[in-house]
Amino acid sequence: NAGVTQTPKFRVLKTGQSMTLLCAQDMNHEYMYWYRQDPGMGLRLIHYSVGEGTTAKGEVPDGYNVSRLKKQNFLLGLESAAPSQTSVYFCASSYSMSSETQYFGPGTRLLVL
Amino acid sequence: SQKIEQNSEALNIQEGKTATLTCNYTNYSPAYLQWYRQDPGRGPVFLLLIRENEKEKRKERLKVTFDTTLKQSLFHITASQPADSATYLCALSGGYNKLIFGAGTRLAVHP
Repeated sequence: NAGVTQTPKFRVLKTGQSMTLLCAQDMNHEYMYWYRQDPGMGLRLIHYSVGEGTTAKGEVPDGYNVSRLKKQNFLLGLESAAPSQTSVYFCASSYSMSSETQYFGPGTRLLVL
Repeated sequence: SQKIEQNSEALNIQEGKTATLTCNYTNYSPAYLQWYRQDPGRGPVFLLLIRENEKEKRKERLKVTFDTTLKQSLFHITASQPADSATYLCALSGGYNKLIFGAGTRLAVHP
């Protein structure tokens, strides 16, 4: 099993450009999450999904959109990138509420100029 | 608002000693608390989970305590090794399996 994978690993964007970050998991997990990690701050939840076709806002959802069309994939979109969105983005998944451990991907480093 | 505090300064210890990391929280009553390890350039990796009705949990050289009265968790690594050097994150349950993370404490174990 590959676990949780993220594409791309690193990306540079100009202000106003758009992009989609892809997260895939092969563990048949119901729950998936997108976090951002900034220096000196804890991981902050952007959006999450409790199952295929569902999404919900987390702590810092502004400027991002998500979709969960397939159970194994969770996409994070930036419609108009801003320098404040420069960060490392992590995707995670968990089996269900009864299994609270989250499994993280390797991260996507995004630089917005 | 909910707040989680971990020592922002790095913890430097000698190989073989016990490392103790602290996680304090306020305005919150989590059902469980987790500890994760994060190496540079990598995603966090789960280490231990402790529930609100458990005082202590052990796994090999790792030990976690959870004091809901003090609103504090302590994370211990006994007989520390240079390979234990990493950043350790504390995370509290936030409903719907959401986790609220602390900023982490960097541990450096010196030979």
